Amino acid sequence: DTGVSQDPRHKITKRGQNVTFRCDPISEHNRLYWYRQTLGQGPEFLTYFQNEAQLEKSRLLSDRFSAERPKGSFSTLEIQRTEQGDSAMYLCASSRQSSYNSPLHFGNGTRLTVT
Amino acid sequence: AQSVTQPDIHITVSEGASLELRCNYSYGATPYLFWYVQSPGQGLQLLLKYFSGDTLVQGIKGFEAEFKRSQSSFNLRKPSVHWSDAAEYFCAVGARTDSWGKLQFGAGTQVVVTP
Repeated sequence: DTGVSQDPRHKITKRGQNVTFRCDPISEHNRLYWYRQTLGQGPEFLTYFQNEAQLEKSRLLSDRFSAERPKGSFSTLEIQRTEQGDSAMYLCASSRQSSYNSPLHFGNGTRLTVT
Repeated sequence: AQSVTQPDIHITVSEGASLELRCNYSYGATPYLFWYVQSPGQGLQLLLKYFSGDTLVQGIKGFEAEFKRSQSSFNLRKPSVHWSDAAEYFCAVGARTDSWGKLQFGAGTQVVVTP
């Protein structure tokens, strides 16, 4: 169990640029989640996958955001035309589908700063 | 509306003293309940969870939490804090459905431990 890995750890970008983050879940976990955490707040759910299928998206996820998990393994989260309000920590988590007794394992996050 | 409230934004406690962090939730039915801890620049680590059964739940690092249905509360306690317990603590709830991993978090309580 190598844990959930996120890359990069930090990303600084200029407003209007596109950015992409990657998440590698724990290998046997078929569920993968994206959360966003702004300063002083708890994480907010964005979206989740079961294998390669995106099962649910939050209303927080505007049209500028897109997430994929093409082979049911790693996932990417892309933000197009970044805005300063997108500055946040983006957290990925994974779990086994069928067992609520298997908790979410979180990665260390990608901190995005939009200047 | 569903909500998770952590009334204390910031708590300062002396090393060796006891700690209690409050969490109240508003939810349609009793959800799954979790406490997570986050150290600076890190992801979230699960401390403990409540699904059913005994309302006093033991977790890692000497933490415990008590579920009180009548008060819609799930308070976290530790009898004697260590300097390493300084961190931010989040209470979270998840629906008793297949999408239980779509968690709703409180805003967090920052714990400072003084010598």
